Amino acid sequence: QKEVEQDPGPLSVPEGAIVSLNCTYSNSAFQYFMWYRQYSRKGPELLMYTYSSGNKEDGRFTAQVDKSSKYISLFIRDSQPSDSATYLCAMSAGGANNLFFGTGTRLTVIP
Amino acid sequence: GAVVSQHPSWVICKSGTSVKIECRSLDFQATTMFWYRQFPKQSLMLMATSNEGSKATYEQGVEKDKFLINHASLTLSTLTVTSAHPEDSSFYICSARVHSHHYGYTFGSGTRLTVV
Repeated sequence: QKEVEQDPGPLSVPEGAIVSLNCTYSNSAFQYFMWYRQYSRKGPELLMYTYSSGNKEDGRFTAQVDKSSKYISLFIRDSQPSDSATYLCAMSAGGANNLFFGTGTRLTVIP
Repeated sequence: GAVVSQHPSWVICKSGTSVKIECRSLDFQATTMFWYRQFPKQSLMLMATSNEGSKATYEQGVEKDKFLINHASLTLSTLTVTSAHPEDSSFYICSARVHSHHYGYTFGSGTRLTVV
C-alpha cells in the first residue's frame, strides 16, 4: 500500500465550477499536509499548508484535513482556466522527516 | 520568499556523457536539499537527500555511483548524471527545506534531461 493515494484524473471542468481534489493516506504520524500546484514542465509551488485536522481558506482555495479518516481535500471555487495544472498533495510527519507525495491530479478548466 | 534556482532548465546529451544539474538557494541557506525524479504523468520520486558538508543519503534502488550529489556549500547542491543512458531521460527537480519551517519546502523549476 502506498503511503499516499491520489486519483490521477484527468479531471476536466467548465470555468466557474467547484473542483474537489482528494488524497488518502495510511501513516497516522503525518501531521503536516500540503497541496502543491505544478504547471507543465515546472517545479511544484506550494499552494496550501495545513497542520493537523481542520480547514484553511485562502481566496478561492480551501484545504481540509480529516485525520480520523486519513483524508485530505482541496476545494477550488470559481475555477479559472489558469487553474489548469497538476495538483499534488504532500504530507510529512514533521521535523527531519521527508515529504510524501501523491501521484498528482491533472486538472483542466475549460473556458 | 525563499527561492531555489535550478539550472539548466533543459538539456540534451548523448549516451555515455555526463550532465550536471545545479540548484542554488538564492536568499537563504539550505543545509538540506532533496533531489527528485519525475516521469511523465507520475509523481515526484525522491532520489536522495543532500546534506551540506556530508555524503548524500540515497533512496533504495538509486545508484549513488550514477547519480553523484555534491553539497559543498550552504547555497549550492549539484546532481551529476554520469554515463547517461536514454532511460535516464526524465524531469529532475530539487527542493530545499527552509530551516525552521515544517512546510517550507521550496522547489526548483526542474530540469528536463533528454539522453539521445
